[in-house]
Amino acid sequence: KQEVTQIPAALSVPEGENLVLNCSFTDSAIYNLQWFRQDPGKGLTSLLLIQSSQREQTSGRLNASLDKSSGRSTLYIAASQPGDSATYLCAVRPSGYSTLTFGKGTMLLVSP
Amino acid sequence: NAGVMQNPRHLVRRRGQEARLRCSPMKGHSHVYWYRQLPEEGLKFMVYLQKENIIDESGMPKERFSAEFPKEGPSILRIQQVVRGDSAAYFCASSPPESYMYEQYFGPGTRLTVT
Repeated sequence: KQEVTQIPAALSVPEGENLVLNCSFTDSAIYNLQWFRQDPGKGLTSLLLIQSSQREQTSGRLNASLDKSSGRSTLYIAASQPGDSATYLCAVRPSGYSTLTFGKGTMLLVSP
Repeated sequence: NAGVMQNPRHLVRRRGQEARLRCSPMKGHSHVYWYRQLPEEGLKFMVYLQKENIIDESGMPKERFSAEFPKEGPSILRIQQVVRGDSAAYFCASSPPESYMYEQYFGPGTRLTVT
């Protein structure tokens, strides 16, 4: 059974810092991995999707990497801003399934 | 192209009543997924549907919960005889065919409160 773990559970940084969020999964047989952002009381916004054959994806100040063999992904946020404050969720799509398995998220607070 | 639509956004029900949650997928998307987010927990998969078919309902509680995605109209998640433990945020997502290749796009969720 696929399990997804996100570390740390919460992170507080001052504005301008670069930071890394971690995601690990127990079964390396995946189609892809997706990072989402969730604001309090709101839905999920997809940030980056990495296919199993890819090593990384970039969008603006965000960079996500995938090491399928070790069951790890990282989300790197450069030059963090207060507007980046949210919960970041990692989800994997196991091979043979069309559904997503989520981690519990990392709650990020960027202070001015 | 409108995103995934869910309604109502907030729903309050008394114990024992029925709750009906609706989801309209993005245009061109024929696959719908329902997830539940309990307080202090991650999102958990409930059910995966295509038009007129339930593909995977392995995450659905065995009793009181049902889902459909008719040929016309939105997908419906129905909870009968709600209990306080059903209070949660329910999210719907949609994707195009060959869904394993593509992102799932999420709606804003329906927040169900059972009093």
